[in-house]
Amino acid sequence: TQLLEQSPQFLSIQEGENLTVYCNSSSVFSSLQWYRQEPGEGPVLLVTVVTGGEVKKLKRLTFQFGDARKDSSLHITAAQPGDTGLYLCAGYNSGAGSYQLTFGKGTKLSVIP
Amino acid sequence: DAMVIQNPRYQVTQFGKPVTLSCSQTLNHNVMYWYQQKSSQAPKLLFHYYDKDFNNEADTPDNFQSRRPNTSFCFLDIRSPGLGDAAMYLCATSRGWSGGTDTQYFGPGTRLTVL
Repeated sequence: TQLLEQSPQFLSIQEGENLTVYCNSSSVFSSLQWYRQEPGEGPVLLVTVVTGGEVKKLKRLTFQFGDARKDSSLHITAAQPGDTGLYLCAGYNSGAGSYQLTFGKGTKLSVIP
Repeated sequence: DAMVIQNPRYQVTQFGKPVTLSCSQTLNHNVMYWYQQKSSQAPKLLFHYYDKDFNNEADTPDNFQSRRPNTSFCFLDIRSPGLGDAAMYLCATSRGWSGGTDTQYFGPGTRLTVL
């Protein structure tokens, strides 16, 4: 069973601060995805990282996939209240034929105005 | 342009009274998933269909059943809801591509309350 550990589990910061969320595993993943989920809604895909060492940017969000494809990070610059939500990392099994996601437990982010 | 639709958004049932949640998709995806999500936790996969092929997770209670009468619709039946079954139930779909290139599209969820 492949596990994804996310940290921190909870994060409360002031508007304008920077933050980093981590997603780690001892297993190799074909790709990792980051989702954001707002209260009362389903998760929405933010990004997929596929290549080891890959860095993707989405406005103030920067996503990185580790060289060994076992870990990923999400960095938010100048956080805004609209960034509040549950951030989930999820990975696809590196085994052939797998299309099922393994989810981390999530990081609940609160950005205080 | 809703792609994954769940009904109802909120469902209240009584302890032990059967309930059915529905999901429909306009994406023509091969795979439909049902997840259970409790407060601020990660979604937990209950089961999924690849076309008509049903795949149950080993730790999904027998109390939970699913039906997929056609490509577009999938139902989650909870035969005798207990207090511990109160949660958000998420439906998701994907094409079913292997190799780590698939993307799951989630519906807005159904919030189930058990009285």
